[in-house]
Amino acid sequence: GAVVSQHPSWVICKSGTSVKIECRSLDFQATTMFWYRQFPKQSLMLMATSNEGSKATYEQGVEKDKFLINHASLTLSTLTVTSAHPEDSSFYICSARDLAGGRRNEQYFGPGTRLTVT
Amino acid sequence: AQSVTQLDSQVPVFEEAPVELRCNYSSSVSVYLFWYVQYPNQGLQLLLKYLSGSTLVKGINGFEAEFNKSQTSFHLRKPSVHISDTAEYFCAVSEGGVGFQKLVFGTGTRLLVSP
Repeated sequence: GAVVSQHPSWVICKSGTSVKIECRSLDFQATTMFWYRQFPKQSLMLMATSNEGSKATYEQGVEKDKFLINHASLTLSTLTVTSAHPEDSSFYICSARDLAGGRRNEQYFGPGTRLTVT
Repeated sequence: AQSVTQLDSQVPVFEEAPVELRCNYSSSVSVYLFWYVQYPNQGLQLLLKYLSGSTLVKGINGFEAEFNKSQTSFHLRKPSVHISDTAEYFCAVSEGGVGFQKLVFGTGTRLLVSP
């Protein structure tokens, strides 16, 4: 149980285009999902907290107009990188929090999406 | 605010040897502590967690960690490593108590197991 998927697993796009990444909780409901960014050989940096049915909460320094987050249902959150530039190339990882009582304090991570902007 | 320090960026070890990956945290409140493993080009997998109770926590793949409040540490150990344990290991902390707080990650330790 507690499986999180991401789609696509990797994407290459041209500079100036937009890319959408999906994060799904497959076997549980997640009112809260998190989006992280990981640069090569570095740790995960939280970008934003996605709440179902409301606006996402962005971390300091993260441009909300560039990284659009939508959490339309209890099992799906999307991250759209708008007008992507090469510096946006990174590994994007989502996680989801299970509502179930015994697992409230855990996050379950997706496999990540590698974005390369050319 | 919490912070996590993983002093060792890389730990080389021979197969079947014991290993300890160090993690220290700082926080002014009670905390939850986690260890995750990341294999190349993959997401994170939870190894173990400390929420409350026994300070010695056993996880998957033969790993264990001990919460030491006085030393604000949560070191990860394994008595005998395998080649397949080669991966990046992240220590993380979140604020304890009611509700859920965001995770703060350390910078990671790369475990390199050689034959």
